[in-house]
Amino acid sequence: TQLLEQSPQFLSIQEGENLTVYCNSSSVFSSLQWYRQEPGEGPVLLVTVVTGGEVKKLKRLTFQFGDARKDSSLHITAAQPGDTGLYLCAGPYPTQGGSEKLVFGKGTKLTVNP
Amino acid sequence: EAQVTQNPRYLITVTGKKLTVTCSQNMNHEYMSWYRQDPGLGLRQIYYSMNVEVTDKGDVPEGYKVSRKEKRNFPLILESPSPNQTSLYFCASSSGGTSAKNIQYFGAGTRLSVL
Repeated sequence: TQLLEQSPQFLSIQEGENLTVYCNSSSVFSSLQWYRQEPGEGPVLLVTVVTGGEVKKLKRLTFQFGDARKDSSLHITAAQPGDTGLYLCAGPYPTQGGSEKLVFGKGTKLTVNP
Repeated sequence: EAQVTQNPRYLITVTGKKLTVTCSQNMNHEYMSWYRQDPGLGLRQIYYSMNVEVTDKGDVPEGYKVSRKEKRNFPLILESPSPNQTSLYFCASSSGGTSAKNIQYFGAGTRLSVL
């Protein structure tokens, strides 16, 4: 069972277009993180959202955490080729041993064409 | 520069030949973990370590071993690799687990092929 479902799985758009990708769960998360992964590299953290309803902006990227803390979205305005990459959402999930592990969605592969 | 270093970056081996992928971080982080990334399956945690001498299984630990003798190093050991362990592997570290205030730093990845 996938705890975090991301959609769409693939997205190919032209430079200058806007887009939104989604991260949904049936579980409540204390926080969610968004990462971007470029080919040949490891994921790099973009943002962490913690409070339900929270909106964070990072230049042309806007991140929102759902009121119920079960979902998050990433909106990119006027996409550029440099935004190309795999976008992953992740959140802490309790383990049977009493600690937490970080679970990831499968990602949205974004291609921005010049 | 803060970094997580994995070696090797690329490895081709044969079934049954023991191998070790090293991971080292220079940030004095307590928490380290290993993931594998496969098409259609995303990132899945193999093992993690909350501190020196403390390790625990993640979601897909079968066929892997780890050790944490020193804070900076967290090697991943495949005692008898099999073709289904062909994958892209990432090591990560953070200052204190997976809570919101901790940034996970990832290595650049090790692409392993088991023939």
